[in-house]
Amino acid sequence: QSALTQPASVSGSPGQSITISCTGTSSDVGSYNLVSWYQQHPGKAPKLMIYEDSKRPSGVSNRFSGSKSGNTASLTISGLQAEDEADYYCCSYARSSAPYVFGSGTRVTV
Amino acid sequence: EEQLVESGGDLVQPGGSLRISCAASGFSFSRYGMNWVRQAPGKGLEWVSTVTGPGSSTYYADSVKGRFTVSRDNSNNTLYLQMNSLRAEDTAVYYCAKHFYDSSAYRYAFDIWGQGTMVTVSS
Repeated sequence: QSALTQPASVSGSPGQSITISCTGTSSDVGSYNLVSWYQQHPGKAPKLMIYEDSKRPSGVSNRFSGSKSGNTASLTISGLQAEDEADYYCCSYARSSAPYVFGSGTRVTV
Repeated sequence: EEQLVESGGDLVQPGGSLRISCAASGFSFSRYGMNWVRQAPGKGLEWVSTVTGPGSSTYYADSVKGRFTVSRDNSNNTLYLQMNSLRAEDTAVYYCAKHFYDSSAYRYAFDIWGQGTMVTVSS
């Protein structure tokens, strides 16, 4: 169970768009349309932002969007705002005996 | 309001045992699978364990298999994690998290998280 690979940090200016990648393997990200993304502010619990690669739960801003190509999933934040500064984690369904694997995490700086 | 509240975190010596709990409220606890996810200080999230709604099936990360046991008491809306043979690398904040359902289908994501409970393994 190796963690999915994410860039350690991504930065952008207010109003810009940024994209965070999440690279797995054909056994996890590439096999299922089941990547989710979580936002975590310092000292807080994670918050679900995207599920099933590209769907937004009710209440999540449409500035957040997800996509996937092959073994790599991506989270795009458009119209970057100061409140978006946080850590972001991807998570993929992997296999039935140990079903979930998280990414290494990306610190977004605005 | 759906809520999860963890408790029971403590300082434990290597090789020791600890049981942490997660009290659920605001939703039909027995209908949902539940999970434990941990985060070592300054590190990323790591999935630890999952238990189905009825408690009949459990799943574990390789790093804790054989040492940790997840269970639930649906009559008291409480999730547990029994941790044995604790190691320094088990030091982390432990979060419980609820399975996310949309349109009555499980979506392989976690929508409600607790605030976490700190487990420190050190002599």
